[in-house]
Formats: sequence, C-alpha cells, structure tokens
Amino acid sequence: SQTIHQWPATLVQPVGSPLSLECTVEGTSNPNLYWYRQAAGRGLQLLFYSVGIGQISSEVPQNLSASRPQDRQFILSSKKLLLSDSGFYLCAWRFPSGNTIYFGEGSWLTVV
Amino acid sequence: GEDVEQSLFLSVREGDSSVINCTYTDSSSTYLYWYKQEPGAGLQLLTYIFSNMDMKQDQRLTVLLNKKDKHLSLRIADTQTGDSAIYFCAGPGTGGGNKLTFGTGTQLKVEL
Repeated sequence: SQTIHQWPATLVQPVGSPLSLECTVEGTSNPNLYWYRQAAGRGLQLLFYSVGIGQISSEVPQNLSASRPQDRQFILSSKKLLLSDSGFYLCAWRFPSGNTIYFGEGSWLTVV
Repeated sequence: GEDVEQSLFLSVREGDSSVINCTYTDSSSTYLYWYKQEPGAGLQLLTYIFSNMDMKQDQRLTVLLNKKDKHLSLRIADTQTGDSAIYFCAGPGTGGGNKLTFGTGTQLKVEL
C-alpha cells in the first residue's frame, strides 16, 4: 500500500529565516506530487505540482520554491520567510493516471 | 478554470442528517470529490462521484450530483459527534498536472 509522510509536523520560524518542508511517498513510482497551503481563511491553495523528477510547476508567484530531487521526494523551501507564509502546508500525491489525490498529515508553520 | 463554492458553516443535532452543498463551474469535470479535515489534520478522502452518475451511496454517506445545476451535495445520515470536521468538495483544475480545485470548506458542528 502507499503512504505519504511530511515533516516537520510543526515549525516556528523567525521572519527572514529559511524553510525546508519535506514530503516522501512510499509504495508507488512516478507519482504526481503537490504542495497546498491552507491559510487562516481555511481555503486550500495549490502552490506547486510536479509530474516527474526535476519538473516543477508553480501556480502562484510567491516567496516559496519547490524541488523534486528524487522520484518520491518533494521539498518546499524558502530562503527568507515572511509573516504571510504562516499556514498549514499539505503535501499530496496521485497515481500518474489516477483520479484521486491523497494528502499527508500536514505541517504547521508559524512565522514570528 | 474551476470555481468551487460552499457554505461556511452547518450545525446539526446528533442523530439528524447533515447535508453539505457545493456548486461548481466547470461542466467538463469528470470526477468530483468530498474530503474531510479533522482539527489539525490533513485531508481524508471520503468519497467521490463520476460525472456520469447522479447518486452514490457509501454506508452513511450519500452523494448527489445535479449536472444541470452544477450542484453537488453530501448527505451524512445519523450524524455523530465524530463527524464534526471541515468538509471540502473538489473538482479538477485546469492546465494539466491532474490538479484539484477545492471549495472553501464547510465546517460541520454536531451538537448533543
């Protein structure tokens, strides 16, 4: 069976510091991978998605970047965090030809 | 692209039925989804319906799809306190990558 893990689960970072959130998927190959953010207003915003190693599509201009150094690894980064980067970040995956997206447990980021 | 809208709050008594509604704009949607998010957790896929179906039932859950009105609903029979959560409907996004566009979520509160 497939599993998805992301870490850290909770993070408190000062403004201007770097960020690295990691996500890995086990039990499948070449998944589509996604980073979503859920801000205080509760809606989900797609930040990045990837259909293969090194292939990253950005949905919105922002202070964040994503990388996919390995097939089942997806990393969300920032060089300098802003207060507005605070939120709940969700990694998700999908079979290449599948229809359903499955989510990780989420990472709470508070920028202070 | 896809636009998905939901009401923000719903309060029901334990044992009653809950009906959570969603409207969408993209008539080419193939699958439509319902996810559940408990406090501080990631999103859990509850159920989905293919666009050539009008109804799908899965234990206490019933999904109704009105394609003409672009209206999707989730009915929870015999609602329990454990059903208290935020419920998101989702449909395919545009631009490739097998993305999903999510509604703002409906917070369901179950009262004793």
